[in-house]
Amino acid sequence: GAGVSQSPRYKVTKRGQDVALRCDPISGHVSLYWYRQALGQGPEFLTYFNYEAQQDKSGLPNDRFSAERPEGSISTLTIQRTEQRDSAMYRCASSLEETQYFGPGTRLLVL
Amino acid sequence: GDSVTQMEGPVTLSEEAFLTINCTYTATGYPSLFWYVQYPGEGLQLLLKATKADDKGSNKGFEATYRKETTSFHLEKGSVQVSDSAVYFCALTENNFNKFYFGSGTKLNVKP
Repeated sequence: GAGVSQSPRYKVTKRGQDVALRCDPISGHVSLYWYRQALGQGPEFLTYFNYEAQQDKSGLPNDRFSAERPEGSISTLTIQRTEQRDSAMYRCASSLEETQYFGPGTRLLVL
Repeated sequence: GDSVTQMEGPVTLSEEAFLTINCTYTATGYPSLFWYVQYPGEGLQLLLKATKADDKGSNKGFEATYRKETTSFHLEKGSVQVSDSAVYFCALTENNFNKFYFGSGTKLNVKP
């Protein structure tokens, strides 16, 4: 079956612009996670959804970052007023239990 | 707080050599432990897992044993292949699976 998909795969934006990153999880997966991964580092937890409920957002770095999953399926991570330090790979994962399935990621470059 | 520490890479081995990648963890409760692998140009995929102390996870010739007494989950393989060249990540989650913690990754290069 289809895996986790993310779009866009690459995003180049100018500092100060807003960006929206989309995650389409595996059908039927209850849990959805967002991570940020800097070059040469492991994924850093940002936020977690159980169905449509955002149950943990402790990893969001500041209030410019937000996420939603309104119907318990597709999720959007939004970064407002982007800064150069936001440049990274943003990864989404979905799961039924403890095994996560990762998407290919969106590479964000803020100029 | 919870955390995972991995040995730094890169690790360079010849084909058929024995592999060990060290991973130690800090957790407040009783975590589940994982190894993920990222092949060049691809996303992370689960390699193996162990959900309680003394469990051994295994897959594709790789093994790791959950050692509560040493808070470790070292990855081993008896004979590596060129195709095993990748970045390996150790990770943990507490029992509610709400939040995962990943190590910084260890790059493995296997030469023919």
